[in-house]
Amino acid sequence: EDQVTQSPEALRLQEGESSSLNCSYTVSGLRGLFWYRQDPGKGPEFLFTLYSAGEEKEKERLKATLTKKESFLHITAPKPEDSATYLCAVHHRRGNDMRFGAGTRLTVKP
Amino acid sequence: DVKVTQSSRYLVKRTGEKVFLECVQDMDHENMFWYRQDPGLGLRLIYFSYDVKMKEKGDIPEGYSVSREKKERFSLILESASTNQTSMYLCASSPTGPKNIQYFGAGTRLSVL
Repeated sequence: EDQVTQSPEALRLQEGESSSLNCSYTVSGLRGLFWYRQDPGKGPEFLFTLYSAGEEKEKERLKATLTKKESFLHITAPKPEDSATYLCAVHHRRGNDMRFGAGTRLTVKP
Repeated sequence: DVKVTQSSRYLVKRTGEKVFLECVQDMDHENMFWYRQDPGLGLRLIYFSYDVKMKEKGDIPEGYSVSREKKERFSLILESASTNQTSMYLCASSPTGPKNIQYFGAGTRLSVL
């Protein structure tokens, strides 16, 4: 069965302290790995899609990378406004829907 | 910009009531989805639809039904609400194709008393 596991569950950083979030997955035939950001009380907001091992995507202080077993979301010099829950998802074997991890709740203190 | 609109942000219902959650998207997407989100469990798929009048069960369909009479609208129905259906409900839509990113609504927080 396809599975997505995110770690850590929660991460507290000081402003400017770089770190990485992990998403490990098992899926039969990866058709895309997705990162979303979710602010409290809101729906997830799309960040990145990665399709093949070795691929990287960047957006401001965020950089997503992909290997055959996991993806990392690197946060460089984070700011308090980066505080959110970050969700990872993979395209499920059914093809049109996705399986989500439980998320990493990031808090960046000023 | 893609817009997915959920009819209510907050709902409070009583046990046994029939509950309708409505979702509308404005991007002519073929696929629409209903998830529920609970702390520590992440997003779990309830139902999805890949075309008008078509539906498929997700991972947790028990106690729910759906309706898709028009392409832009996807409704989630709780036939007889129970307290264990208290949750955040999220609707999403996506196009069909190689880059079928899902776009989400703001969510409906449902409390069943």
